[in-house]
Amino acid sequence: KQEVTQIPAALSVPEGENLVLNCSFTDSAIYNLQWFRQDPGKGLTSLLLIQSSQREQTSGRLNASLDKSSGRSTLYIAASQPGDSATYLCAVGDQAGTALIFGKGTTLSVSS
Amino acid sequence: DADVTQTPRNRITKTGKRIMLECSQTKGHDRMYWYRQDPGLGLRLIYYSFDVKDINKGEISDGYSVSRQAQAKFSLSLESAIPNQTALYFCATSDPRGYSGEQYFGPGTRLTVT
Repeated sequence: KQEVTQIPAALSVPEGENLVLNCSFTDSAIYNLQWFRQDPGKGLTSLLLIQSSQREQTSGRLNASLDKSSGRSTLYIAASQPGDSATYLCAVGDQAGTALIFGKGTTLSVSS
Repeated sequence: DADVTQTPRNRITKTGKRIMLECSQTKGHDRMYWYRQDPGLGLRLIYYSFDVKDINKGEISDGYSVSRQAQAKFSLSLESAIPNQTALYFCATSDPRGYSGEQYFGPGTRLTVT
Protein backbone atom coordinates (compact mmCIF):
# COMPACT_ATOMS: atom_id res chain seq x y z
CA LYS A 1 0.00 0.00 0.00
CA GLN A 2 1.39 3.38 -1.00
CA GLU A 3 2.33 5.66 1.87
CA VAL A 4 3.34 9.28 1.55
CA THR A 5 5.34 11.07 4.23
CA GLN A 6 6.12 14.75 4.47
CA ILE A 7 8.90 16.12 6.61
CA PRO A 8 8.95 18.39 8.48
CA ALA A 9 5.38 18.64 9.73
CA ALA A 10 5.90 22.33 10.46
CA LEU A 11 8.48 24.90 9.49
CA SER A 12 9.03 28.51 10.48
CA VAL A 13 11.38 30.76 8.54
CA PRO A 14 12.07 34.48 8.26
CA GLU A 15 11.06 36.29 5.11
CA GLY A 16 13.54 36.00 2.27
CA GLU A 17 14.86 32.55 3.08
CA ASN A 18 15.01 29.80 0.53
CA LEU A 19 13.50 26.58 1.79
CA VAL A 20 12.89 22.96 0.88
CA LEU A 21 9.91 20.80 1.72
CA ASN A 22 10.32 17.06 1.50
CA CYS A 23 8.00 14.30 0.37
CA SER A 24 8.74 10.58 0.29
CA PHE A 25 6.67 7.67 -0.99
CA THR A 26 7.03 3.93 -0.53
CA ASP A 27 6.03 2.60 -3.97
CA SER A 28 7.96 3.99 -6.94
CA ALA A 29 5.29 2.85 -9.45
CA ILE A 30 3.59 6.23 -9.57
CA TYR A 31 1.91 7.97 -12.49
CA ASN A 32 2.50 11.50 -11.31
CA LEU A 33 3.06 13.67 -8.26
CA GLN A 34 1.23 16.87 -7.38
CA TRP A 35 2.09 19.59 -4.92
CA PHE A 36 -0.81 21.58 -3.46
CA ARG A 37 -1.17 24.57 -1.23
CA GLN A 38 -3.96 24.82 1.34
CA ASP A 39 -4.81 27.90 3.36
CA PRO A 40 -6.51 27.31 6.74
CA GLY A 41 -10.02 25.91 6.28
CA LYS A 42 -9.81 26.40 2.53
CA GLY A 43 -9.58 24.30 -0.58
CA LEU A 44 -6.56 22.92 -2.39
CA THR A 45 -4.67 24.95 -4.95
CA SER A 46 -2.55 22.93 -7.34
CA LEU A 47 0.99 24.28 -7.50
CA LEU A 48 2.95 21.86 -9.64
CA LEU A 49 2.40 18.53 -11.35
CA ILE A 50 5.31 16.25 -12.24
CA GLN A 51 4.80 13.28 -14.52
CA SER A 52 6.61 10.09 -13.62
CA SER A 53 8.93 10.55 -16.61
CA GLN A 54 9.94 14.07 -15.58
CA ARG A 55 12.62 15.17 -13.13
CA GLU A 56 11.38 18.61 -12.24
CA GLN A 57 8.86 21.37 -12.84
CA THR A 58 9.12 25.07 -12.19
CA SER A 59 6.56 27.81 -11.65
CA GLY A 60 7.77 31.22 -10.60
CA ARG A 61 9.59 30.91 -7.27
CA LEU A 62 8.62 27.24 -6.95
CA ASN A 63 10.60 24.28 -8.18
CA ALA A 64 9.57 20.68 -7.64
CA SER A 65 11.85 17.72 -8.27
CA LEU A 66 11.10 14.04 -8.52
CA ASP A 67 13.39 11.06 -7.99
CA LYS A 68 11.16 8.07 -8.56
CA SER A 69 13.82 5.47 -7.91
CA SER A 70 14.47 6.76 -4.41
CA GLY A 71 10.82 7.62 -3.75
CA ARG A 72 11.43 11.30 -3.10
CA SER A 73 10.21 14.70 -4.18
CA THR A 74 11.18 18.14 -2.99
CA LEU A 75 9.46 21.49 -3.28
CA TYR A 76 11.90 24.37 -3.31
CA ILE A 77 10.56 27.83 -2.50
CA ALA A 78 12.87 30.71 -3.30
CA ALA A 79 12.88 34.02 -1.46
CA SER A 80 9.98 33.13 0.82
CA GLN A 81 7.31 35.72 1.61
CA PRO A 82 4.69 35.97 4.39
CA GLY A 83 2.06 35.22 1.75
CA ASP A 84 3.64 31.79 1.29
CA SER A 85 2.42 30.82 4.76
CA ALA A 86 0.11 27.83 4.28
CA THR A 87 0.07 24.05 4.43
CA TYR A 88 1.76 22.32 1.53
CA LEU A 89 0.50 18.89 0.52
CA CYS A 90 2.24 16.30 -1.60
CA ALA A 91 0.14 13.67 -3.38
CA VAL A 92 1.10 10.78 -5.63
CA GLY A 93 -1.12 9.41 -8.36
CA ASP A 94 -1.23 5.69 -9.07
CA GLN A 95 -0.96 4.10 -12.50
CA ALA A 96 -4.67 3.42 -12.74
CA GLY A 97 -5.64 7.00 -12.01
CA THR A 98 -7.92 5.83 -9.24
CA ALA A 99 -6.77 8.21 -6.56
CA LEU A 100 -4.23 10.56 -5.18
CA ILE A 101 -2.49 9.38 -2.03
CA PHE A 102 -1.77 12.37 0.15
CA GLY A 103 0.84 13.13 2.73
CA LYS A 104 -0.24 14.90 5.90
CA GLY A 105 1.38 18.13 4.82
CA THR A 106 3.98 20.62 5.97
CA THR A 107 2.67 23.79 7.61
CA LEU A 108 4.88 26.71 6.64
CA SER A 109 5.02 29.99 8.51
CA VAL A 110 7.03 32.86 7.02
CA SER A 111 7.55 35.79 9.34
CA SER A 112 8.17 39.35 8.19
CA ASP B 1 -16.87 31.07 -12.32
CA ALA B 2 -15.21 28.18 -10.54
CA ASP B 3 -14.70 25.03 -12.58
CA VAL B 4 -15.57 22.70 -9.69
CA THR B 5 -18.29 23.80 -7.29
CA GLN B 6 -19.58 22.20 -4.13
CA THR B 7 -22.80 22.81 -2.26
CA PRO B 8 -23.37 23.47 0.53
CA ARG B 9 -20.11 25.05 1.67
CA ASN B 10 -20.94 24.58 5.32
CA ARG B 11 -23.46 22.31 6.96
CA ILE B 12 -24.34 21.42 10.51
CA THR B 13 -26.56 18.39 10.99
CA LYS B 14 -27.64 16.06 13.75
CA THR B 15 -26.73 12.46 14.34
CA GLY B 16 -28.96 10.10 12.34
CA LYS B 17 -29.96 12.61 9.68
CA ARG B 18 -29.51 11.93 5.98
CA ILE B 19 -27.46 14.52 4.16
CA MET B 20 -26.32 15.01 0.58
CA LEU B 21 -23.28 16.92 -0.59
CA GLU B 22 -23.26 17.97 -4.22
CA CYS B 23 -20.47 18.55 -6.69
CA SER B 24 -20.73 20.07 -10.15
CA GLN B 25 -18.02 20.69 -12.72
CA THR B 26 -17.78 22.61 -15.95
CA LYS B 27 -14.42 21.16 -17.00
CA GLY B 28 -15.95 18.39 -19.08
CA HIS B 29 -13.95 15.76 -17.22
CA ASP B 30 -15.11 12.16 -17.05
CA ARG B 31 -13.47 11.29 -13.74
CA MET B 32 -14.76 12.57 -10.42
CA TYR B 33 -13.71 11.85 -6.85
CA TRP B 34 -14.82 12.45 -3.28
CA TYR B 35 -12.23 12.86 -0.50
CA ARG B 36 -12.49 13.73 3.16
CA GLN B 37 -9.91 15.59 5.20
CA ASP B 38 -9.45 15.14 8.91
CA PRO B 39 -6.93 17.00 11.05
CA GLY B 40 -3.77 14.97 11.35
CA LEU B 41 -4.92 12.33 8.84
CA GLY B 42 -4.65 14.09 5.53
CA LEU B 43 -7.05 13.52 2.64
CA ARG B 44 -8.51 10.08 2.02
CA LEU B 45 -10.55 8.79 -0.89
CA ILE B 46 -14.20 7.91 -0.30
CA TYR B 47 -15.52 7.11 -3.79
CA TYR B 48 -14.50 7.68 -7.38
CA SER B 49 -16.26 7.51 -10.72
CA PHE B 50 -14.66 7.11 -14.15
CA ASP B 51 -17.94 7.83 -15.95
CA VAL B 52 -21.68 7.82 -15.30
CA LYS B 53 -21.86 4.02 -15.22
CA ASP B 54 -18.58 3.35 -13.44
CA ILE B 55 -18.54 4.01 -9.69
CA ASN B 56 -16.02 2.53 -7.29
CA LYS B 57 -15.35 2.47 -3.58
CA GLY B 58 -12.31 4.13 -2.18
CA GLU B 59 -10.38 3.62 1.02
CA ILE B 60 -13.11 4.76 3.42
CA SER B 61 -16.51 4.20 1.76
CA ASP B 62 -18.37 2.71 4.76
CA GLY B 63 -21.27 4.95 5.78
CA TYR B 64 -21.33 6.78 2.46
CA SER B 65 -23.03 6.37 -0.90
CA VAL B 66 -22.70 8.27 -4.16
CA SER B 67 -24.69 9.07 -7.26
CA ARG B 68 -23.34 10.17 -10.64
CA GLN B 69 -26.35 11.91 -12.11
CA ALA B 70 -24.53 13.17 -15.19
CA GLN B 71 -21.00 13.66 -16.41
CA ALA B 72 -20.94 16.98 -14.60
CA LYS B 73 -22.56 15.99 -11.30
CA PHE B 74 -21.41 13.68 -8.53
CA SER B 75 -23.22 13.61 -5.18
CA LEU B 76 -22.12 12.14 -1.86
CA SER B 77 -24.71 10.99 0.67
CA LEU B 78 -24.45 10.16 4.32
CA GLU B 79 -27.43 7.90 4.97
CA SER B 80 -27.34 8.28 8.75
CA ALA B 81 -24.79 10.84 9.82
CA ILE B 82 -22.59 10.19 12.85
CA PRO B 83 -20.24 12.57 14.71
CA ASN B 84 -17.04 10.96 13.38
CA GLN B 85 -18.12 11.97 9.87
CA THR B 86 -17.42 15.55 10.86
CA ALA B 87 -14.77 16.60 8.38
CA LEU B 88 -13.92 18.74 5.38
CA TYR B 89 -15.13 17.09 2.17
CA PHE B 90 -13.61 17.71 -1.24
CA CYS B 91 -14.75 16.85 -4.72
CA ALA B 92 -12.18 16.56 -7.50
CA THR B 93 -12.10 15.90 -11.23
CA SER B 94 -9.55 14.70 -13.76
CA ASP B 95 -9.43 14.18 -17.48
CA PRO B 96 -7.95 10.86 -18.61
CA ARG B 97 -7.66 12.11 -22.18
CA GLY B 98 -5.05 14.64 -21.16
CA TYR B 99 -2.70 11.94 -19.89
CA SER B 100 -1.40 14.21 -17.14
CA GLY B 101 -3.74 12.76 -14.53
CA GLU B 102 -3.88 16.13 -12.81
CA GLN B 103 -6.74 16.44 -10.35
CA TYR B 104 -8.67 19.67 -9.83
CA PHE B 105 -10.35 20.27 -6.49
CA GLY B 106 -13.48 22.08 -5.44
CA PRO B 107 -13.54 24.53 -2.52
CA GLY B 108 -14.72 21.95 -0.02
CA THR B 109 -17.75 21.42 2.22
CA ARG B 110 -17.28 21.69 5.97
CA LEU B 111 -19.65 19.22 7.60
CA THR B 112 -20.33 19.11 11.32
CA VAL B 113 -22.40 16.29 12.80
CA THR B 114 -23.62 16.98 16.33
